Amino acid sequence: EVQLVESGGGLVQPGGSLRLSCATSGFIFDDYALHWVRQPPGKGLEWVSGISWRGDTIGYADSVKGRFTISRDNAKNSLSLQMNSLRVEDTALYYCAKDRDLVPALGRTPFASWGPGTLVTVSS
Amino acid sequence: DIQVTQSPSTLSASVGDRVTITCRASQTISSWLAWYQQKPGKAPNLLIYQASILQNGVPSRFSGSGSGTEFTLTVSSLHPDDFATYYCQQYWTHPETFGPGTKVEIK
Repeated sequence: EVQLVESGGGLVQPGGSLRLSCATSGFIFDDYALHWVRQPPGKGLEWVSGISWRGDTIGYADSVKGRFTISRDNAKNSLSLQMNSLRVEDTALYYCAKDRDLVPALGRTPFASWGPGTLVTVSS
Repeated sequence: DIQVTQSPSTLSASVGDRVTITCRASQTISSWLAWYQQKPGKAPNLLIYQASILQNGVPSRFSGSGSGTEFTLTVSSLHPDDFATYYCQQYWTHPETFGPGTKVEIK
């Protein structure tokens, strides 16, 4: 059974930093691209960042570019998101998600498996 | 980026009703469209991909259609478990973008 479990969320002041992690199991980790998707309280879904299976293709939403950094450790089956210069509008539930299909880079497949999410609150 | 819109934003229906949700993309995406169901406090769940293919384990009362820029999700007969929010997502180009969601509520 595919499992993804996020951790690292919490309360942080504007301008602060936080590092999210996603532990995975139940699939061949280095075969699949992975993503972070966020959902502000009571609002819709926003793709944040994605990383290809080899880690050589990375993408960011314009809203986080230059502030967030995605990475993966294929030896530890884990995904991370380093979030710097956090803003109030970054407050959201952050999900880790796995591609449905094996693809060489990013795109051309939906997200078949999701973790339960970790809540990030940016507030003074 | 490709913009994705959904209508209606809220839909009131009863158990047994047939309901249809529409999703439109700002440019053609062929059939590279997925539908997700999200219940309160839970992560989204993939229902349909490639516009019309049911993900494993999804009941056959769900169906999807369309190509190009206009797509629909249909539930042939609403079950109590189907009251939730539904999102479409285009994955033709990166970044993958989601629609704003359609909440299906009990009438």
